[in-house]
This record gives sequence, C-alpha cells and structure tokens, in this order.
Amino acid sequence: NAGVMQNPRHLVRRRGQEARLRCSPMKGHSHVYWYRQLPEEGLKFMVYLQKENIIDESGMPKERFSAEFPKEGPSILRIQQVVRGDSAAYFCASSPPARNTEAFFGQGTRLTVV
Amino acid sequence: QKEVEQDPGPLSVPEGAIVSLNCTYSNSAFQYFMWYRQYSRKGPELLMYTYSSGNKEDGRFTAQVDKSSKYISLFIRDSQPSDSATYLCAMSGDYQLIWGAGTKLIIKP
Repeated sequence: NAGVMQNPRHLVRRRGQEARLRCSPMKGHSHVYWYRQLPEEGLKFMVYLQKENIIDESGMPKERFSAEFPKEGPSILRIQQVVRGDSAAYFCASSPPARNTEAFFGQGTRLTVV
Repeated sequence: QKEVEQDPGPLSVPEGAIVSLNCTYSNSAFQYFMWYRQYSRKGPELLMYTYSSGNKEDGRFTAQVDKSSKYISLFIRDSQPSDSATYLCAMSGDYQLIWGAGTKLIIKP
C-alpha cells in the first residue's frame, strides 16, 4: 500500500508562471488536506477537500490559489502568477473517512520561485 | 495569542537522556491530540495519537494529555541520535488540525 504520493518533489518557477502540485492520497482515503510550511516554521493549513468537494478553504489566500480533488485522479493545488513569497514546502495529507484527525503526509513539493 | 504554543528550541540533550516535549493550547474544544516527527526535508509522520485526557505509551514514547491545564507532553526514553528531528504537536476538535510550530530536537552521541 503506497503512501501519499506528491509530485513533483521539487518545482522551480519564474515569477508570473503557474505552479501545479499534485497529490495522490493513500488507497482508501477520501480526504485530502494541503499545508504550507515556510523554513523554520510550522505547518499552516490551507484547504481540506473530499472527492469533488471543497470542505474548508479558510487557509487559502483569496487570490491566485485554487485546489481541486476530482472524482478521478489526484488532488491539484494550483498557484497562478507565482511570486517569491510563494516559495515554500507544500505538503499534502490524506485520511480515511470517519478518522479525519489521523492524517498521513506525503514527502512534500518544494516550490522555489526565481 | 496562538491557539497552540510550542517552544521551537532547539533542544539539545545527550544520548540516553529522557526528553520532554510540550505544547500548550487555548481551545478547550480540542479532543484529539497528535505528535508528529519530521526529519529534515521530509513529510511529517504520525508518532502518537491520543483522544481526550490520559497517557499513551508506545515503546520509548509516552504521550500525556492534561485537558484541565490545556497541556500535552511527549516523553522519549533512552533517546537515540536517530530521534533527532523536529517534533510537531497537532490537535483538533473536528477535522482541522491545528499545529504547533515544532520543536527541533538534537540528540548528541
């Protein structure tokens, strides 16, 4: 049983480009969470999704950021028109239904904006 | 005031020592308490999971929750250099995990 898979592991984008981060949850998990981690800081919640539904996006910046979790395929975190301040590690976690508080993490995508 | 407070450290102790890591919180609605370990440039991994108050032991690790004081602890016995990592506490009342900033732990051989 593969763990949470995130790709790419490293992503470099120039200012103004779009970044797409992918997350495939563990088998049997239908809940996905996205977090951002700045260097030497804790994890900051961004968005919580179930299949085809955004449950809570209170941690997402209002502009340029969007997330989806389609019926088929991975969850996608999209950042449009990236700026240097978007450089961070983005972690995805998944959990099974009815056990939302046990989250298993992927290895993260390290986004660098140059 | 942050919902969850955790001393970022670093905490440096000699190999074999007992380590105590702590978090305080302000939201009395939290019912689930977790400790995660994160190695450098890796994703966090779940170490311990406790519901409500009490103690839970798993090998060299013991998690304690004191809801009356809004205080949780993680103890590591017989610490090893491989325990060197950042330890994050997390807690929840429903689905959203609220995180401490993490304590960097260094075990010196």
